[in-house]
Formats: sequence, structure tokens, C-alpha cells
Amino acid sequence: AQTVTQSQPEMSVQEAETVTLSCTYDTSESDYYLFWYKQPPSRQMILVIRQEAYKQQNATENRFSVNFQKAAKSFSLKISDSQLGDAAMYFCAYRISGSRLTFGEGTQLTVNP
Amino acid sequence: EPEVTQTPSHQVTQMGQEVILRCVPISNHLYFYWYRQILGQKVEFLVSFYNNEISEKSEIFDDQFSVERPDGSNFTLKIRSTKLEDSAMYFCASSEHRDYDEAFFGQGTRLTVV
Repeated sequence: AQTVTQSQPEMSVQEAETVTLSCTYDTSESDYYLFWYKQPPSRQMILVIRQEAYKQQNATENRFSVNFQKAAKSFSLKISDSQLGDAAMYFCAYRISGSRLTFGEGTQLTVNP
Repeated sequence: EPEVTQTPSHQVTQMGQEVILRCVPISNHLYFYWYRQILGQKVEFLVSFYNNEISEKSEIFDDQFSVERPDGSNFTLKIRSTKLEDSAMYFCASSEHRDYDEAFFGQGTRLTVV
């Protein structure tokens, strides 16, 4: 069974600085998709960034980027120039083609002014 | 921007009662999902639905749960006889394609069973 592990229950960062959230996963599949979702206090799930496993290039979306290490099964999220609005719970998620999303336990990010 | 809409935003129900949670997926999407999140825990998959039938379900999705797409726009989750442990945030999601699309989530329905 696929599992997703986020080993940091909580992280904090100063406004304007950079923070990296960790995620590892376990799978025997070679083709899959990885995602980071943000869940603010409203509890809505918002997609931050996605990565296809067949792509070697790391995905970036403005201030958000990932470090995808396929051999190590690692998928970390880097947030640059952190803003107060980035404060939220962040979930790493995994999906193989046509199947369910499997989520990690989440990392609560606090942004300090 | 198109979005997934869920109603109600909060539902309180007596234990043993039936509830129906409603979702309107994005209009051109073909794949629909329900997930739930018990307070303070991770998001868990319940069921996926395509072409008017369940395509995958988790061990959580037992006989008390059912899903339906009664018309061209709504997608519902029914819980027949609610239990206290059904209290959670329920998220509907949809995607256009099966193979590579991310799922777009609704804002969730908070279900409280008393």
C-alpha cells in the first residue's frame, strides 16, 4: 500500500524568509503524481503545486517550488519570501493514474511577522 | 474560475439520522470523489465515481454510505444512520481526466453528529 509521511507536524518561518516542508512516500509504482495542498483555517483544500513522476524537472509556481528526488522517494516543498497568507496546514499527497489521493498527516505552518 | 460547490457548509444531525451531503462538481469534469477529514487528522479517501458508478471505494465506505448523481449537475453522499464517529469535514472533489489531473476540492461540509 502507498503511504505518505510528513515528519514535521509544525513548522514556523519569519515573514519574507524561506521554509522547506518535507514529505516522503512509499510506492512500488514508477508512474505517479505528487501534490501539495494548502488548507487554511477555512479548511478548504487548495492545490499549491503538482509534480509528475516521469518529469525530472522540479515544478515551480511563483514562490513555491519542489525538490523531487524520485530515487529517495522524497518530495519537499519550498516556500520563498514567505507571506502571512501562507500560514496554513500543508498536505503532501500521492496518486497513481486513475486512483485515489493518499495524503500525509500534514504540516502546520506558522508565519511570524 | 470554475469551482466545486458543496452544501450545506455545516450540518448538525442526531445520531441515527440520515444525512445527504450535496456537491456540484465543475461542469466539464467527469470524475467525482468524496474525502473526509476527522478533526486534527489527515484527509481520507472515501469513494470515487465515474460514468454513474463507483470506480473505487475505501474500507471506510461501508454499507451505510452511498453516492448518487441524481441529475447532470449534483453529486451526493448519503449516510444512512449516522454515528458519532461520522463527525468530520466531508470534501467533494472532481477532475476532468482520470489519469493525470489534480482533483479540485470544494470548501467542505462540516458534519456534526450529536
